[in-house]
Amino acid sequence: DTAVSQTPKYLVTQMGNDKSIKCEQNLGHDTMYWYKQDSKKFLKIMFSYNNKELIINETVPNRFSPKSPDKAHLNLHINSLELGDSAVYFCASSSPGGSGVANYGYTFGSGTRLTVV
Amino acid sequence: QKEVEQNSGPLSVPEGAIASLNCTYSDRGSQSFFWYRQYSGKSPELIMSIYSNGDKEDGRFTAQLNKASQYVSLLIRDSQPSDSATYLCAVTTGGFKTIFGAGTRLFVKA
Repeated sequence: DTAVSQTPKYLVTQMGNDKSIKCEQNLGHDTMYWYKQDSKKFLKIMFSYNNKELIINETVPNRFSPKSPDKAHLNLHINSLELGDSAVYFCASSSPGGSGVANYGYTFGSGTRLTVV
Repeated sequence: QKEVEQNSGPLSVPEGAIASLNCTYSDRGSQSFFWYRQYSGKSPELIMSIYSNGDKEDGRFTAQLNKASQYVSLLIRDSQPSDSATYLCAVTTGGFKTIFGAGTRLFVKA
């Protein structure tokens, strides 16, 4: 039973299209994240939701819009796709930490490889 | 200065040797420190977490933290070819924001 599942695994689309990536976790975690991993394998945070509330919104083009219908789901919608959006997008989740600890580490989904042509 | 810095490698060690991976971070208020392993084409997997100064051991892995020097390391004893992967250092600066380093590629030669 997959802990953090993302769909689709691969996404090939043309420039200008709109696409969505879905993420679901069955770990009971409160916080979910979207990270982008570029061709140099650098993981960069995009968004984070805690109990459906947006808590981190990095400098990301407003073509990217996250949505969390409940704390187990976090989706990412991308409008007007550009070549530079090609990357692997990872969803992750974490539970809150204790005193002095923000979290106990992430569980990542398997990733969505987005290719814009 | 990058927030979390790692040597990109590749680091090459013979089978059975100790692999030493290093990481420095810039935010002195950082609270939580993690090492993730990422095989090619796969997602990152949490292998170690450390929250206070000193060493933390888990099987063949030892994480070391020195907050005064803003330094985190990962030692892998008795390295195996299956340990060949990219190792990502991650630092939570407070709140819910975790910053990842660019990763160190490790090759373990059989």
